[in-house]
Amino acid sequence: QVQLVESGGGVVQPGRSLRLSCAASGFTFSSYGMHWVRQAPGKGLEWVAVIWPDGSNKLYADSVKGRFTISRDNSKNTLYLQMNSLRAEDTAVYYCASEVMGHFDYWGQGTLVTVSS
Amino acid sequence: DVVMTQSPLSLPVALGQPASISCRSSQSLVDSDGNTYLNWFQQRPGQSPRRLIYKVSNRDSGVPDRFSGSGSGTDFTLKISRVEAEDVGVYYCMQGTHWPPWTFGQGTQVEIK
Repeated sequence: QVQLVESGGGVVQPGRSLRLSCAASGFTFSSYGMHWVRQAPGKGLEWVAVIWPDGSNKLYADSVKGRFTISRDNSKNTLYLQMNSLRAEDTAVYYCASEVMGHFDYWGQGTLVTVSS
Repeated sequence: DVVMTQSPLSLPVALGQPASISCRSSQSLVDSDGNTYLNWFQQRPGQSPRRLIYKVSNRDSGVPDRFSGSGSGTDFTLKISRVEAEDVGVYYCMQGTHWPPWTFGQGTQVEIK
């Protein structure tokens, strides 16, 4: 069965960087687009970024453009989110989500990023 | 960006009673391919979101048939025919027609009355 497992979250100071990972299994990872979605504490869902199956195209929310970079290693079945110049408003649970059977069909358990001094 | 507006934001429902959540989009969600990319998600307390419905009315595998989706254009509805205790949580609609960005509604909290 499809499984997505995020890691890499933690507490980081404003202006610093963090890299999240999402390990995928149970499907042919290299064939499907992948997204990052975040959820600030007590708030709703916000789409962050998407990457095409072969990594050829990447799109970002305006709120993270220029600071975050989505990437993938299809040989390792892993999705990444490099987050630079972090701000307090980036504090959230970050989920990876797949497009195996359409948009956002499977989600990971999430990893919490807290940006605080 | 397409704005998704849900109502109500809070929905107390007695066990065994029906529930209905509305989702309106700021523009038509009919894609040039003829499909309407409107999904519904359930997020139980402390859990990740789970997709329930895709393309307006298609239930995902394992989703009980008490959940149904309907609508067209800019107006969509998620219905629960008989609410059970396990249905407590927040429900989100999401559009995938006009991207980027993919946009979600604010969420509707379903609780047992």
